[in-house]
Amino acid sequence: QKEVEQDPGPLSVPEGAIVSLNCTYSNSAFQYFMWYRQYSRKGPELLMYTYSSGNKEDGRFTAQVDKSSKYISLFIRDSQPSDSATYLCAMANLYGQNFVFGPGTRLSVLP
Amino acid sequence: DAGVTQSPTHLIKTRGQQVTLRCSPISGHKSVSWYQQVLGQGPQFIFQYYEKEERGRGNFPDRFSARQFPNYSSELNVNALLLGDSALYLCASSSRDRIERFFGPGTRLTVL
Repeated sequence: QKEVEQDPGPLSVPEGAIVSLNCTYSNSAFQYFMWYRQYSRKGPELLMYTYSSGNKEDGRFTAQVDKSSKYISLFIRDSQPSDSATYLCAMANLYGQNFVFGPGTRLSVLP
Repeated sequence: DAGVTQSPTHLIKTRGQQVTLRCSPISGHKSVSWYQQVLGQGPQFIFQYYEKEERGRGNFPDRFSARQFPNYSSELNVNALLLGDSALYLCASSSRDRIERFFGPGTRLTVL
C-alpha cells in the first residue's frame, strides 16, 4: 500500500462547477497537509497548508482534513478554465523529515 | 522577492554521462530539498539539506549526490546516467520554522 493515494483522473468539469479532489494516506504520523497546483511542465505551486484536522478556506479554495479517516480534500468553488492543472496533495510528519506527495489528479475545467 | 531558481532549464545527455543541476533558494531560506518527478507521477524525494548538512535521503542509488554551499545554494549530481533518469528535477526551499516547501520551475533532464 502506498503511503499517499490519489485518484489520477483525468477529471473534467464544466466552468463554474464545484470540484472535489481527495487523498487518502496510511501513515498516522502525518500532521501537516498541503495542496499544490502544478501547471504543465512547471514546478508545483503551494495552494493550501493545514495543520492537523479541520477546515481552511482561502478564496475559492477550501481544504479539509479528517485525521480519524486519514482523508483530506480540496474543494474548488466556481471553477475556472485557469484552474486546469494537476493537483498534488502532500503531507509531512511533525518535524517535516518525511514529506510525501500523492501522484496527483489532473483536472480540466471546460469553458 | 525572487523565488527558487534552478538552472539549467533543459538538459539533454546520453547514457553513462554525468550531470550537475543547480538551485538557489528563496532569500532567508536555509533548507533545500531535491525531488525527481517522472511524467504522470508525483515528485519523489531525493535529498534534503539544512545548513550544509544532509538531513534526509530518499530511496535513490548512490549515483545521486548533492551538496549545499555556504550561501545555501545547492547542486544535485547524477553519475552514470540511465534512460530512467529522464525526469523533471525539482528543487524546493523552506525556512527553519515552517514545514511547507516552495518549489522552483525545475530542470527537465532527457537521457538518450
